[in-house]
Formats: sequence, C-alpha cells, structure tokens
Amino acid sequence: EVQLVESGGGLVQPGGSLRLSCAASGFTFSPYGMNWVRQAPGKGLEWVSYISGGSNTIYYADSVKGRFTISRDNARNSLYLQMNSLRDDDTAVYYCARDRANTYYDYWGQGSLVTVSP
Amino acid sequence: QSALTQPASVSGSPGQSITISCTGTSSDVGAYNYVSWYQQHPGKAPKLMIYDVGNRPSGVSNRFSGSKSGYTASLTISGLQAEDEADYYCSSSTNSNTRVFGTGTKVTVL
Repeated sequence: EVQLVESGGGLVQPGGSLRLSCAASGFTFSPYGMNWVRQAPGKGLEWVSYISGGSNTIYYADSVKGRFTISRDNARNSLYLQMNSLRDDDTAVYYCARDRANTYYDYWGQGSLVTVSP
Repeated sequence: QSALTQPASVSGSPGQSITISCTGTSSDVGAYNYVSWYQQHPGKAPKLMIYDVGNRPSGVSNRFSGSKSGYTASLTISGLQAEDEADYYCSSSTNSNTRVFGTGTKVTVL
C-alpha cells in the first residue's frame, strides 16, 4: 500500500525557517517525481514545487521561488521542503503528492500544518 | 500563473447529474490534454478522480467522467449520491513547467 507521511510542521515566526519531510513507503520511491502542494485555511489547493526522481529537474511556483528548496533522499525514501523567509501567507497545510507522467498526482499524504505567526 | 476558473458551487438532487467546468487559457488547459480532477472531503487529503482529461483511476466509480473542449474541461458526476458531497478541484500542466489548480467547486447534494 502506497503511503506518504508528512512531518515537520508547526508554528514559526515571520522570517523564520522550517523543514518539512515526507516519508514514502509501499512503492519504489526513486523513479517517481514528487510534489509539494499547499492549502491555506479555508482556501483552495496551490501547487508549490516538483522534483524528478533523480533530482535533475526541479520547478517552483513563483510565490515560493528563491525562498523554498525541494530535495529528496532516495536512499531514505524521503522528500523534503526547506522553507526560509516564511511569511504570513505561507500558512497552510502542506501535502506531498506522488507525480505521474509529470501531469497528475495519484497519491497524497495526510498533510502537515505550517502556521506563520508572531 | 492564475488559478483555473471553476464555479464556486454546484448542487443537485440524488440521482441527478451535475457538471463542473474548469476554464483556463492557451497556456494550460488549451495547451495539453493533461487535466486532472480531485475530490476533497473536509479535513481530508485530495483524491484523484480523473486524469489526462477523461481517464479514471482504478477504484473510482464510473459515475465520474471527464471531457475537454478548447480551454474548458468538465467533470460530470452522474447518479449523484450523498457521498459525492465534497470540494472538487481541477488541475493542469502549463507551458511554463508549472502546475495550476482550479479555484475549487463545492458540490452539495440536496
């Protein structure tokens, strides 16, 4: 059974940093691209970032470019999101999602809440 | 990249059919047949319902179908059931190597 489990969320002050992790299990992790998608409270979904299986292709949404860094460790079956210079509008539930054919997300984690507040 | 446009809400009675639209531009929906749809119940993670415009993943009811014409994709739910009450989001790849979601539609079963 495919499982994605996010961790690392919490309360952080504006301007601070946080690192999210996503532990994958139930499938061979390395061939699959992975994404981070976020959802602000009461709002819609927003794609954040994509990383290919070999980490050679990485994309970011304009809203996080230069502040967030996506990475992965295929030996540990883990995906990461390093978030720096956090702002109030980064407050959201962050989901990791497995990528298929660079076009859709077939499995999602349960999400990790990040709250940016003084 | 602006969000794709969806109606804020759609409602129907049990057994009826409803259709949710998803309108984009020549840079996303109109550029590729890579539109997908996701169902999200309150407090839960999204679930893939349709991919590549009209394909259903294994385990998704055949009451869900997708189509596309020009810059607008559509999700149709036939034989509406109480369990279909949820938020629905479309998504598309774009020609700038990013992804974009729709604004979301709340489906209410009357």
